Amino acid sequence: NAGVTQTPKFQVLKTGQSMTLQCAQDMNHEYMSWYRQDPGMGLRLIHYSVGAGITDQGEVPNGYNVSRSTTEDFPLRLLSAAPSQTSVYFCASRTRAGSYEQYFGPGTRLTVT
Amino acid sequence: AQKVTQAQTEISVVEKEDVTLDCVYETRDTTYYLFWYKQPPSGELVFLIRRNSFDEQNEISGRYSWNFQKSTSSFNFTITASQVVDSAVYFCALSREVEYGNKLVFGAGTILRVKS
Repeated sequence: NAGVTQTPKFQVLKTGQSMTLQCAQDMNHEYMSWYRQDPGMGLRLIHYSVGAGITDQGEVPNGYNVSRSTTEDFPLRLLSAAPSQTSVYFCASRTRAGSYEQYFGPGTRLTVT
Repeated sequence: AQKVTQAQTEISVVEKEDVTLDCVYETRDTTYYLFWYKQPPSGELVFLIRRNSFDEQNEISGRYSWNFQKSTSSFNFTITASQVVDSAVYFCALSREVEYGNKLVFGAGTILRVKS
């Protein structure tokens, strides 16, 4: 199993550009989510999904869109990048049952200039 | 609202010292889950432990131990005989019952530096 994969690993955007951060998992996990990590603030939940076709907002959803058309994929779209979105983004997944451990991807470091 | 406080921003110790990382949480739920994650310099997040609100037994895993006290809303993490490889950022996190999906609330993290 590859676990949770994220692409790209690094990205630089100009203000106003749009892009999609990709996240995929091969563990057949129902739950997936996106977090952003900023210095001194830990990780904050952006959006999450409890299954294909079902998504909801987390703590800091503004400026981001998600969709979940398959169990495996959960892309995060930045509609019009802003410098405040400079951050490290983590995708995570977990099964509905079991140990409730979340499996995190390796992260995407995004810089918006 | 749920909240996790890690008051220690950064801790520096010399190898072989014991070190305790503090975690205080706030929640109105009666059923909840607490976690610790490690983030080494390479950046990935490594799961260390999960504890549910009904299980107040302390846990020991090798050099790691956890002390969960509901009376003080704390879930502290102790590393015994620290090693340089323990240098990392450690996050404490809180989640509600499984029906709420993946809503983990993280503390700000504690940077641990272990010097040889």
